[in-house]
Amino acid sequence: EDQVTQSPEALRLQEGESSSLNCSYTVSGLRGLFWYRQDPGKGPEFLFTLYSAGEEKEKERLKATLTKKESFLHITAPKPEDSATYLCAVLASGGSYIPTFGRGTSLIVHP
Amino acid sequence: DSGVTQTPKHLITATGQRVTLRCSPRSGDLSVYWYQQSLDQGLQFLIQYYNGEERAKGNILERFSAQQFPDLHSELNLSSLELGDSALYFCASSGQGVVKNIQYFGAGTRLSVL
Repeated sequence: EDQVTQSPEALRLQEGESSSLNCSYTVSGLRGLFWYRQDPGKGPEFLFTLYSAGEEKEKERLKATLTKKESFLHITAPKPEDSATYLCAVLASGGSYIPTFGRGTSLIVHP
Repeated sequence: DSGVTQTPKHLITATGQRVTLRCSPRSGDLSVYWYQQSLDQGLQFLIQYYNGEERAKGNILERFSAQQFPDLHSELNLSSLELGDSALYFCASSGQGVVKNIQYFGAGTRLSVL
């Protein structure tokens, strides 16, 4: 069974304090790994997709990296507007095209 | 704006009632997915349709059903509602080609069962 574990569950940072969110996964074969941002009461917003170990993607203060067992979402010099829940999802090769979502990391950035 | 439209934004109803949630996918997307999100369960996959046909089923209750119409919009029907059905319901769509596996989510429908 595919499994996705995100840590920490919650993270509080001061503005400008860089940190990383972790997504560990267990799948028979990885077709893709996805990061989403979700604001309270809103739908998940697509951020990145990564397909193979060693791949990196960047967008503003966010950088996603991928290894064979985990992905990191690095947040550099975060701002209060980066506060949200960040969801990780993995899509396994073979079978259905339904991703398995983690429970998310709730990030709060204090000014 | 993801391009996925969900209506209504909010629904308040009573136990035992039936409601219909509607979703219009992004232009050109053939796949529609329905998810339920509650505080203690995270994002739970319910069902997927592809070009009008059911493609995959998740933890969808027998009281729930869905369909996708020829114009590709989809409806999720929830019947005999219980208090525990109160949650956010999201629709997502995905396209074809290189980015076919990326799901784009709507803003959701918040269902409150009283």
